[in-house]
Amino acid sequence: GDSVTQMEGPVTLSEEAFLTINCTYTATGYPSLFWYVQYPGEGLQLLLKATKADDKGSNKGFEATYRKETTSFHLEKGSVQVSDSAVYFCASIIQGAQKLVFGQGTRLTINP
Amino acid sequence: DGGITQSPKYLFRKEGQNVTLSCEQNLNHDAMYWYRQDPGQGLRLIYYSQIVNDFQKGDIAEGYSVSREKKESFPLTVTSAQKNPTAFYLCASSIGIHWNEQFFGPGTRLTVL
Repeated sequence: GDSVTQMEGPVTLSEEAFLTINCTYTATGYPSLFWYVQYPGEGLQLLLKATKADDKGSNKGFEATYRKETTSFHLEKGSVQVSDSAVYFCASIIQGAQKLVFGQGTRLTINP
Repeated sequence: DGGITQSPKYLFRKEGQNVTLSCEQNLNHDAMYWYRQDPGQGLRLIYYSQIVNDFQKGDIAEGYSVSREKKESFPLTVTSAQKNPTAFYLCASSIGIHWNEQFFGPGTRLTVL
């Protein structure tokens, strides 16, 4: 079945460091891909998305590129801030499907 | 402001009691969803509804029940049959069942004492 695998956490970085959180997917078709962010004690917020191969989603300095050849959607940010500390979820959905498939989440902590 | 509200934020229940979690949206979305989140794990789908008076089981529906009498509301009842109900519960909605983007509420943390 369809699945999403994320980089194991937790990830701890210093402020202004470069961030990469890996995400790979398996799907029977060509899914849309998402990154959601969850701040402590809150629900999930959509961070960015990409709906077809080679699309790049971006928001708040975060970027992710839909790579069909490697079935990946890695999240990157050039210079992280303490306020980026949160749990990040990668998710996929096949067009016409009825539910999102989530990765297990990656906890990110940024130290000042 | 449009959005999804869940209440209460924290809920405590004694073993053997049923409890109902509220979810309301004013986004005029047709589809609504309930997820369960456990520490260090991703989200697991409990139930979803494509339209009023219709709903389907997700991956972990046992011990839960839902209703969808109004478009704006999708309450979740955690019954005494749910063996391990302590978790963080998230409600979400989307324009339609096949529309990709889901919007999430702030969540309810349920603790069974």
